Amino acid sequence: QLVLTQSPSASASLGASVKLTCTLSSGHSSYAIAWHQQQPEKGPRYLMKLNSDGSHSKGDGIPDRFSGSSSGAERYLTISSLQSEDEADYYCQTWGTGLGVVFGGGTKLTVL
Amino acid sequence: QVTLRESGPALVKPTQTLTLTCTFSGFSLSTSGMCVSWVRQPPGKALEWLALIDWDDDKYYSTSLKTRLTISKDTSKNQVVLTMTNMDPVDTATYYCARITDSSGFRWFDPWGQGTLVTVSS
Repeated sequence: QLVLTQSPSASASLGASVKLTCTLSSGHSSYAIAWHQQQPEKGPRYLMKLNSDGSHSKGDGIPDRFSGSSSGAERYLTISSLQSEDEADYYCQTWGTGLGVVFGGGTKLTVL
Repeated sequence: QVTLRESGPALVKPTQTLTLTCTFSGFSLSTSGMCVSWVRQPPGKALEWLALIDWDDDKYYSTSLKTRLTISKDTSKNQVVLTMTNMDPVDTATYYCARITDSSGFRWFDPWGQGTLVTVSS
């Protein structure tokens, strides 16, 4: 079964960096994922597509402060120089042929 | 520029059928690799995938909801319609449509519509 696991919450200080994790279930470590951001009271926004080798392609207008990396079954989203507007929910998403779309449960990021 | 907009009733009664329309511009659903999908989000909860239709008219549904969902497209009107039968108060949520791109077998959402809140109540 294709499952994406995310920690429910994370926090970091203004100006610092934070690394969010999305873990693919066993047997699916080669899958690509996408990261999406949802600011309070807004719809989701695509951030980037992240491959198993760590290569990634960002959406239009996504700042350089956002980057992605991979290690085994883990996919990471790193946000550097945290700003107040980065306080949001972050979702990872993947696709399985025959399985459809899968979302992680989301991580709520608090900027202190 | 790609845009999508959801439309439909803001309030439906229990047991009724919900019909939502996604009207989009900036791409064609007849183009190889293009898809449109529906996702919902109950208040304060996570995103839940519902259904997807692709350029080849292949349709995919959430396993847990597939008996209640139907997705269809009208390429000439640039619209995708989702129907959900037997609505219940637990179906109260913001419903989003989004374009999905298929590349090398992977599909991802970009961009998303603004969403439409549907409340199920008698």
